[in-house]
Amino acid sequence: KAGVTQTPRYLIKTRGQQVTLSCSPISGHRSVSWYQQTPGQGLQFLFEYFSETQRNKGNFPGRFSGRQFSNSRSEMNVSTLELGDSALYLCASKSQGAVTGELFFGEGSRLTVL
Amino acid sequence: AQKVTQAQTEISVVEKEDVTLDCVYETRDTTYYLFWYKQPPSGELVFLIRRNSFDEQNEISGRYSWNFQKSTSSFNFTITASQVVDSAVYFCALSPNTGNQFYFGTGTSLTVIP
Repeated sequence: KAGVTQTPRYLIKTRGQQVTLSCSPISGHRSVSWYQQTPGQGLQFLFEYFSETQRNKGNFPGRFSGRQFSNSRSEMNVSTLELGDSALYLCASKSQGAVTGELFFGEGSRLTVL
Repeated sequence: AQKVTQAQTEISVVEKEDVTLDCVYETRDTTYYLFWYKQPPSGELVFLIRRNSFDEQNEISGRYSWNFQKSTSSFNFTITASQVVDSAVYFCALSPNTGNQFYFGTGTSLTVIP
């Protein structure tokens, strides 16, 4: 069974640009969550999607947005990039019925903003 | 408010020593779930264990064991006879039953010296 796949793995952008990251969950998983990991803040929850609907949102500015497609694949977008957006962005999926189930993570997309 | 605290930022042990990683959590929910994840250098978080708030039985899995104590809001993780392959960052996480958001601690970086 393929795991969670994130693309791209690495990317470099400059301030003011925008970026789109992609996540393909484990087959059959309909819940996709995004987390930002930085050395100072640890893992911070961005948002969670289930069946194309955002179910939960963390405390991030509106520059951070996401969506989920009918095949459960998800994208997150960051507009007007700032230096502080440099981070590892992790996507995680969870099986449909498992409200309390574990998250399965991808390897992340490492974004560097110059 | 939901919060997970991992006070130990970095730990170094010599191979074959035992090591305990501490995790203290805060939640007002009566039903919640606790998790431990391992993050090797590749970046992908690997699920280790899930425990619900009604099950205070300790668990052992090979060299790994977990001690859940509701009275002290702690969910500590012990590695017995540590090995170099155990070197990683370990995260403790809390997921309340009322939502799908995971709250992660800031992680403990474990280095096992050969």
